[in-house]
Amino acid sequence: GDSVTQMEGPVTLSEEAFLTINCTYTATGYPSLFWYVQYPGEGLQLLLKATKADDKGSNKGFEATYRKETTSFHLEKGSVQVSDSAVYFCALSDENTNAGKSTFGDGTTLTVKP
Amino acid sequence: DADVTQTPRNRITKTGKRIMLECSQTKGHDRMYWYRQDPGLGLRLIYYSFDVKDINKGEISDGYSVSRQAQAKFSLSLESAIPNQTALYFCATSSGRDTGELFFGEGSRLTVL
Repeated sequence: GDSVTQMEGPVTLSEEAFLTINCTYTATGYPSLFWYVQYPGEGLQLLLKATKADDKGSNKGFEATYRKETTSFHLEKGSVQVSDSAVYFCALSDENTNAGKSTFGDGTTLTVKP
Repeated sequence: DADVTQTPRNRITKTGKRIMLECSQTKGHDRMYWYRQDPGLGLRLIYYSFDVKDINKGEISDGYSVSRQAQAKFSLSLESAIPNQTALYFCATSSGRDTGELFFGEGSRLTVL
């Protein structure tokens, strides 16, 4: 079945540092890929998405590119802020092979220190 | 008001008690889901429903049941709660017409003593 593997945390960075959170996936079809973010005490919300190979999703300074050849969707941000401290989840969804159910990675906790 | 509302937000109960977590949505979505979040384990799907007459088990449905009372309402029940059901529970919706993006409630934290 489909699976998502993301970089283990926790990750601790200083403000303005560069962020990369690795995510790789296994899927039989051509899934859509997502990054969700969970701020403390809140539910998950969509951060960005990409629906086909070579698409780049971007939002709030975060970016991720759908790489079919390496089955990856790594999250990057050039300069993190304290307010980016949260748990980040990589996920995939494939309507054709998995009835649209989403598969999540285990989450990566990011702490940004001033 | 939130598009996806969960009640209660926090609940402490004892082993053997029956618990119901409720979810309502104003997004007009047909698809609704219940997930469980445990530290280091990501989100695991408990049950999902693609319309009022459609209920499906997820990967960890044992010990849980659900009811889809209307398009907007999807409840999760623990008939006899046990301590290892202590977790954060999320309801989510999706339209089923686009990329599969999920919209989440704020979560219900359940503690079973």
